[in-house]
Amino acid sequence: GAGVSQSPSNKVTEKGKDVELRCDPISGHTALYWYRQSLGQGLEFLIYFQGNSAPDKSGLPSDRFSAERTGGSVSTLTIQRTQQEDSAVYLCASSSLSEQFFGPGTRLTVL
Amino acid sequence: SQQGEEDPQALSIQEGENATMNCSYKNSINNLQWYRQNSGRGLVHLILIRSNEREKHSGRLRVTLDTSKKSSSLLITASRAADTASYFCATTSMDTGRRALTFGSGTRLQVQP
Repeated sequence: GAGVSQSPSNKVTEKGKDVELRCDPISGHTALYWYRQSLGQGLEFLIYFQGNSAPDKSGLPSDRFSAERTGGSVSTLTIQRTQQEDSAVYLCASSSLSEQFFGPGTRLTVL
Repeated sequence: SQQGEEDPQALSIQEGENATMNCSYKNSINNLQWYRQNSGRGLVHLILIRSNEREKHSGRLRVTLDTSKKSSSLLITASRAADTASYFCATTSMDTGRRALTFGSGTRLQVQP
């Protein structure tokens, strides 16, 4: 596609459930990033994939969070045993050089 | 602690006026970027300025970078109602070598028609 896409656009879940968020980066972009944005705040880095290198997981807030990137393209962010503080917009970005192109985000609400 | 603190947090101006937003950061950077966000969703890249550049223009946007003060400013000239959005600066750190962006908390700009 022409840009980064994410699904679902909105997700409402109950506390304790697992959720999966999907990101389709721009074709050919080797780098993929996940960020989280809480209400009225800036973006917080979560995890970064670059080609076939080991991902940079330094931003993941707890071991309930994990992500994978299959075939160097699509990425899935998984949050296990969701908590109310996980409620946020989860943004994915991809890049080939310095500029990062962002998807529209997934708004996660944990009740 | 987070880099890229912006001020003001909120700015309200009349259409046609200029809007200036400032950003400060802590670590040494490779580059500084400004992004715009509408309605709390996807971000749009506006402009990138490298650490060896002092000023850059793009249309009605003017960005300055002062690495000695670790600060940057974004000027939007002749503002329009459609410029209403949140604006974020973001940096990549030379110290860590990490390519992920570190964002500030943003400036919410309201342009009154």
